Amino acid sequence: DAKTTQPNSMESNEEEPVHLPCNHSTISGTDYIHWYRQLPSQGPEYVIHGLTSNVNNRMASLAIAEDRKSSTLILHRATLRDAAVYYCILRDYNYGQNFVFGPGTRLSVLP
Amino acid sequence: EPEVTQTPSHQVTQMGQEVILRCVPISNHLYFYWYRQILGQKVEFLVSFYNNEISEKSEIFDDQFSVERPDGSNFTLKIRSTKLEDSAMYFCASSVDGQDEAFFGQGTRLTVV
Repeated sequence: DAKTTQPNSMESNEEEPVHLPCNHSTISGTDYIHWYRQLPSQGPEYVIHGLTSNVNNRMASLAIAEDRKSSTLILHRATLRDAAVYYCILRDYNYGQNFVFGPGTRLSVLP
Repeated sequence: EPEVTQTPSHQVTQMGQEVILRCVPISNHLYFYWYRQILGQKVEFLVSFYNNEISEKSEIFDDQFSVERPDGSNFTLKIRSTKLEDSAMYFCASSVDGQDEAFFGQGTRLTVV
């Protein structure tokens, strides 16, 4: 599995947008970019995924660089409930079945 | 909304005992996974399962571990002879296919004493 790098931690103020970066310089053409998060004492939770184009859903937006070597998860308006560890994961759509979790980014949301 | 359910939520067992962790994946999903997370550490892949057989496993998934889908709805993880270092949260997950998003259960906390 191709590797991703994320900042260890980030802070945000409540009700402000949050941009969580992820670098994946060795991404292959068949890798989807997935984002999951893990709230305290819970299992990982799917957030969003994409291949080349930017994606939006009810939880977040995913902005993918044109060369696909980086991506950014955007939470448009952070709430206290968004405090979690966010994982950026590459998954090969030809083969990759399992998700390889890195250490992720621990997001703190300040009231 | 359909969800992956895991039982029990917490299991305490003595070292050397066998444990079975149970999971009910989402009904139309075809791929199943087990992960574990030792306290304070990252989520680690154990095994994936498709078409009634293991499709991929990690180095952690040694001969002490086995998985089964005994009745078409449950998906179980068995640890034959538990060790202290098996203490962790164990998460089950399922997905429709091998590329789509996976849905995780709330986990079983296994404590080996």
